[in-house]
Amino acid sequence: ETGVTQSPTHLIKTRGQQVTLRCSSQSGHNTVSWYQQALGQGPQFIFQYYREEENGRGNFPPRFSGLQFPNYSSELNVNALELDDSALYLCASSLSRGETQYFGPGTRLLVL
Amino acid sequence: GNSVTQMEGPVTLSEEAFLTINCTYTATGYPSLFWYVQYPGEGLQLLLKATKADDKGSNKGFEATYRKETTSFHLEKGSVQVSDSAVYFCALNMNTGFQKLVFGTGTRLLVSP
Repeated sequence: ETGVTQSPTHLIKTRGQQVTLRCSSQSGHNTVSWYQQALGQGPQFIFQYYREEENGRGNFPPRFSGLQFPNYSSELNVNALELDDSALYLCASSLSRGETQYFGPGTRLLVL
Repeated sequence: GNSVTQMEGPVTLSEEAFLTINCTYTATGYPSLFWYVQYPGEGLQLLLKATKADDKGSNKGFEATYRKETTSFHLEKGSVQVSDSAVYFCALNMNTGFQKLVFGTGTRLLVSP
């Protein structure tokens, strides 16, 4: 059984650019959540997708947006990148909305 | 709001020593509680969980008991190994129909031979 995978593993962008991060959920999981982990901090919840719809959102501005596809994979899009967006972005999948989350290895984004 | 407080690290131990990492929480209601572990350069792995008061989660020699009276979920292991060196995160979820994990800031554990 394949776990949660994310791509790319690392990414460097400049301020003002846009970025798309991708996540493939674990087999059988229909829910994907995204978290931002700044250096030395715990992960912060961005949003969750359940059956292709946003199911909850944390305190992140609208320039953070997402999608979930019919195969339950997901994208995180960030527009107008800022230096503070530099972080590890973690994707987690779960069997359903209230179930235990299993994390991928993350995408490390550096904004210059 | 809901929050998790963990002891600051790093925690430095010798191999085979006893480990305790303290975690307390603030929540309006009865959350589920989790410990996740993050090895260098990797994502988070679920270590153990407990969903109600007095439940004990355990895995790979690690244990934590959900204490409602002290709002705590301290992580313990009787004998640590060098391979346990990692960052440990305590987290809660309010079971509101979707799982939004609220994490502590993490505690780094360093185990020397």
